[in-house]
This record gives sequence, structure tokens and C-alpha cells, in this order.
Amino acid sequence: DQQVKQNSPSLSVQEGRISILNCDYTNSMFDYFLWYKKYPAEGPTFLISISSIKDKNEDGRFTVFLNKSAKHLSLHMVPSQPGDSAVYFCAAKETSGSRLTFGEGTQLTVNP
Amino acid sequence: EPEVTQTPSHQVTQMGQEVILRCVPISNHLYFYWYRQILGQKVEFLVSFYNNEISEKSEIFDDQFSVERPDGSNFTLKIRSTKLEDSAMYFCAMGGNGGAFFGQGTRLTVV
Repeated sequence: DQQVKQNSPSLSVQEGRISILNCDYTNSMFDYFLWYKKYPAEGPTFLISISSIKDKNEDGRFTVFLNKSAKHLSLHMVPSQPGDSAVYFCAAKETSGSRLTFGEGTQLTVNP
Repeated sequence: EPEVTQTPSHQVTQMGQEVILRCVPISNHLYFYWYRQILGQKVEFLVSFYNNEISEKSEIFDDQFSVERPDGSNFTLKIRSTKLEDSAMYFCAMGGNGGAFFGQGTRLTVV
């Protein structure tokens, strides 16, 4: 199942800089997208979401951009902090369904 | 503050045994979900539950699995006759839009 793909298994950034995490999808029926953060031995924690009627959504340090024509979304986080080091998942949902389809995740490391 | 509490945090079971994983919502939600993550793989959807009925289930959710809200509060996932490949982290989730709030997970190990 490759409907949602995060092509970068890992990303390393310096504290205070911007982290940009990317996600691509293939299913045109997806109309709602979410980003989660996950620490080891914990469940995913919701960060931010975006509906397909928008191309940008901001919440504090997080901004999500959606490019429907490219079937691409990205999560921008600034300033990055060492406590942000975690696995970040994007997920997508169809209008007609209730399930989330997850990407593989990107391990973000924020270096002090 | 966690919205969802799962018990147990870790369950070891013999192959062929039945297990029940539990999920306790802290606040009222209408939608409930179970997901799992096999080590090294993606988080996978199992089932969604709304108004005491299954609203959607994945190909993984076969007759081996069942869900219920036995007392109108706890939400359970039962796995009958566990197999080695059922070993995974199982996450309960609640809320709209696919389940915004996840529990901390139950690690199921089938030996």
C-alpha cells in the first residue's frame, strides 16, 4: 500500500532552524490530511491537519502546506527544538471513509 | 492530558490464545478506531466503530478480530486464536476525521 509516501526516512536539523517534512500521496479521493508526531513507546500525537479546500494551515510553530495538483503536502516547524526529535507521520483520509492511511514516517533529529 | 488510556501496556500470549485489548476514553467521543503497527512497518487501520456498530474495516480485520463497547464506556479489541504475525503495537484512537487522539498503545507479543 503506497498511497501515502514519505520518501525521507530521516532528517537532521539544527536547533532553532526550520524543519520541513514532506509527504506525497496518490489517491485523488483523499481530502483531509493530518500530521502526527510519535515518540518511542507512545502513541501518535496529533499536530495539525488540513482540508483539501485549503492550501495552508498554521498553528503556532507548525504550518502545513497542501499542493493538490502535485499531490504533495509538507509540514514546516520553526523554530525546531531538541524535544521535537521524534518520528513524524503524515496521514490521509477520504471523504467517504473513516480510516486514516499513514505514511512510513520520517525520523527527525534536532541537534542542539 | 491523555484522552485515551489503553490496557494492558504489554501483553505476552501463547500462539492460539485469545487476547482482549482495552481502551478507556477520558472524554466523550462518538468515533473509535483500532490501528496497529508491526515493527518496522506503517501504522495500519483495522476498524472504525460508531454508534455501537462497525462503520468501516480493513482487509486485515477478518473473523479473527472483533470489537465492542461492552459497558458503553470501554472499547475492546478481541483477537481470537492469536498468530505469531499478530505481534504488533495496537493503538486505540478516538475523535473525528480518522481518530485525532491516540492511546499510548498495547504491545502484543505472540510467542
